[in-house]
Amino acid sequence: GAGVSQSPSNKVTEKGKDVELRCDPISGHTALYWYRQSLGQGLEFLIYFQGNSAPDKSGLPSDRFSAERTGGSVSTLTIQRTQQEDSAVYLCASSVDRGYEQYFGPGTRLTVT
Amino acid sequence: GNSVTQMEGPVTLSEEAFLTINCTYTATGYPSLFWYVQYPGEGLQLLLKATKADDKGSNKGFEATYRKETTSFHLEKGSVQVSDSAVYFCALRGRGGADGLTFGKGTHLIIQP
Repeated sequence: GAGVSQSPSNKVTEKGKDVELRCDPISGHTALYWYRQSLGQGLEFLIYFQGNSAPDKSGLPSDRFSAERTGGSVSTLTIQRTQQEDSAVYLCASSVDRGYEQYFGPGTRLTVT
Repeated sequence: GNSVTQMEGPVTLSEEAFLTINCTYTATGYPSLFWYVQYPGEGLQLLLKATKADDKGSNKGFEATYRKETTSFHLEKGSVQVSDSAVYFCALRGRGGADGLTFGKGTHLIIQP
């Protein structure tokens, strides 16, 4: 079946602009995760959703970052007033339920100029 | 907090050589341990996992044993192939806490024919 999909695959934006990144999890997966992969910091966990709620937002780096998930499916990660240090690949993963194997999407490469 | 340490490389080996990539971790309690692989141009894939002490995870000729006494989960393969060239990430998921994975920085493996 279809895997985790993310859009756009690449995004270039100017410093100070807002961006929205989208994740479409595997159908039927209740758990959804966002991670950030950057040269300096490696792979960092950002936020976890179980259904539509986000019990763990511990990894969000600042209040400019927010995420929502509607209908227990698609999720959007929003970065407001982007900064150059936000440049990274943003990865989404889903799993059938909490504690099960996480399947990763191809990522969105964000470049802030 | 949780952390994972692994050799960053690049690690360059000849085909059919023996591979070891070291991974040690710091975590409270008894985490689950994972190795993920990222082939060139592809997304992160789970390679193998172990959920309790002395468990051995194995897949595609790769093995890793969960060593609680040394807090390690070293990845090994007896005879590497050119197709094993990739970036390998060691990761853990804590018990009872956040479900996000904590990753090491990744080890870039290059296999020469």
